[in-house]
Amino acid sequence: EVQLVESGGGLVQPGGSLRLSCAASGFTFSSYWMHWVRQAPGKGLVWVSRINSDGSSTSYADSVKGRFTISRDNAKNTLYLQMNSLRAEDTAVYYCAMRSEGYREWGQGTLVTVSS
Amino acid sequence: EIVLTQSPGTLSLSPGERATLSCRASQSVSSNYLAWYQQKPGQAPRLVIFGASSRATGIPDRLSGSGSGTDFTLTISRLEPEDLAVYYCQQYGTSPTFGQGTKVEIK
Repeated sequence: EVQLVESGGGLVQPGGSLRLSCAASGFTFSSYWMHWVRQAPGKGLVWVSRINSDGSSTSYADSVKGRFTISRDNAKNTLYLQMNSLRAEDTAVYYCAMRSEGYREWGQGTLVTVSS
Repeated sequence: EIVLTQSPGTLSLSPGERATLSCRASQSVSSNYLAWYQQKPGQAPRLVIFGASSRATGIPDRLSGSGSGTDFTLTISRLEPEDLAVYYCQQYGTSPTFGQGTKVEIK
């Protein structure tokens, strides 16, 4: 069974940092591009970032470029999102997703709240 | 950036009725990299349709996708109570974007 389990969310002050993790199991993690998508409370889905299968190529939404860094450890079957200089507007549930004919698999999400 | 505009914002129908959800792109979606997701309250999104018209695993055949270029449609042929959800379209090309969602309510 494919599983994606996010962790690392929580309450952080504006300007602070947080690192999210997404532990993958049940599939060959190293073969798939992975994405982060976020959803602010009561709002729609917004794409955040993606990384290719071997980690050599990344891409970011303009709203997080220069502040967030996506990475992966294929030996540990884990995807990461390092978030720096956090702002109130970054408050959201963050989902990791596996890209295969669309986003075939999603995690349950982890909530990040940026507030003083 | 490709902007996706979904309509209507909310659809309120009775069980057994047909639901038609629209997704219009600001420019042509390459290779029909167009997907639809279903998100039920408190849950993560679930892939329903990929490649504009291919049904994902486990999705009942009363849900279907169609369209190409800039105009896409998700159709639920006979609405059931379990279809209560917000549906999002997405283009999953180079810089992915989502539509703002259509909420399907059951009368």
